[in-house]
Amino acid sequence: AAGVIQSPRHLIKEKRETATLKCYPIPRHDTVYWYQQGPGQDPQFLISFYEKMQSDKGSIPDRFSAQQFSDYHSELNMSSLELGDSALYFCASSSTGTSGSDTQYFGPGTRLTVL
Amino acid sequence: GDSVTQMEGPVTLSEEAFLTINCTYTATGYPSLFWYVQYPGEGLQLLLKATKADDKGSNKGFEATYRKETTSFHLEKGSVQVSDSAVYFCALSDPPQGGSEKLVFGKGTKLTVNP
Repeated sequence: AAGVIQSPRHLIKEKRETATLKCYPIPRHDTVYWYQQGPGQDPQFLISFYEKMQSDKGSIPDRFSAQQFSDYHSELNMSSLELGDSALYFCASSSTGTSGSDTQYFGPGTRLTVL
Repeated sequence: GDSVTQMEGPVTLSEEAFLTINCTYTATGYPSLFWYVQYPGEGLQLLLKATKADDKGSNKGFEATYRKETTSFHLEKGSVQVSDSAVYFCALSDPPQGGSEKLVFGKGTKLTVNP
């Protein structure tokens, strides 16, 4: 079965650079979530989109922005990178029906290292 | 706000031992409860879930029962294998009316099973 695809899998950037992470949800899933997992930490919710509109926002820095495109893929843009942004970034997708969202399925993550 | 508290690790067991990882939650509504597993170097995989009180989720020999009276969702397995070595996350989803169903995770419990 098709899974959530994230690219790139690994990314190394310098401080103050920008980074773009991409997420391709499972086909026919209309909701995308982004999470950040610091070393040895639990995943923290950043932002979510439903039908290309932002549906919720968590602890996402103002330096970060995201969007969902017409083909439902999503991109997380990160600017003015800081050392503390080094983390594993997960994308998850689900299908939202009239009774709410189904189970979230996670991608393999993008490991961002800021030097 | 919503929160999940799970047993601190690490947990080290011998193969075929019984496993329990405790998880309790605090939520304002009627959350859905999940266990996710993260194998070394990989993303999060859904292990099992329960959406209402007294539901039992099960998968690959793992079980957890949604106990509303004790606000708990403890993970159990009767006989662990070396291949079960991973980090286990308890999580909840408790969307407000019309809100997104972001996941709130516990801190994770690292399980090591020795042959």
